Amino acid sequence: DAGITQSPRHKVTETGTPVTLRCHQTENHRYMYWYRQDPGHGLRLIHYSYGVKDTDKGEVSDGYSVSRSKTEDFLLTLESATSSQTSVYFCAISGQGSSYEQYFGPGTRLTVT
Amino acid sequence: QQPVQSPQAVILREGEDAVINCSSSKALYSVHWYRQKHGEAPVFLMILLKGGEQKGHEKISASFNEKKQQSSLYLTASQLSYSGTYFCGTDNSGGSNYKLTFGKGTLLTVNP
Repeated sequence: DAGITQSPRHKVTETGTPVTLRCHQTENHRYMYWYRQDPGHGLRLIHYSYGVKDTDKGEVSDGYSVSRSKTEDFLLTLESATSSQTSVYFCAISGQGSSYEQYFGPGTRLTVT
Repeated sequence: QQPVQSPQAVILREGEDAVINCSSSKALYSVHWYRQKHGEAPVFLMILLKGGEQKGHEKISASFNEKKQQSSLYLTASQLSYSGTYFCGTDNSGGSNYKLTFGKGTLLTVNP
């Protein structure tokens, strides 16, 4: 299994509070991704990174920001959490070899009350 | 735009076959397939590249029709362990291969 961890694994927070989720990899992969998964929607890309300090938006980026100051860490921040951001968040990495298969972390279940 | 997967759900008995389809409205450069079991993270199964190269799973096969912008995943002689939700992820960005758009998934249930 790829060395990828997420923290926290579960979080309950109140509307309007800031939240930061962390993704950590030990594989030295170039690309890192944040997805959210909601019933009926599958996996939707929030933001991704193609190198240190190089990030770009995905299809559902509103209300989220990211940072990547080191190869191994990719942070997802909800500046002011809303109930619509209640979801399961997955981090993924890719870049080994030429086929770019993605390896997913265990996920973070976030509940915004 | 998300690729469209069909069917949304399928129920099989052990040993039966299934086909899951993935269609894109944009040109496809590669298609990835993942399986997710309940409460777990998605796991990579297979990638199909433009030009026909296929990499991945031993017991599950797939096809990639570039002209029709479609891919199909074939599960033959299904086992109980095949149960889960299957997602296709498409690369529509000109062959970069690193950014995917996922379908909504197909729930496969294999019963004894």
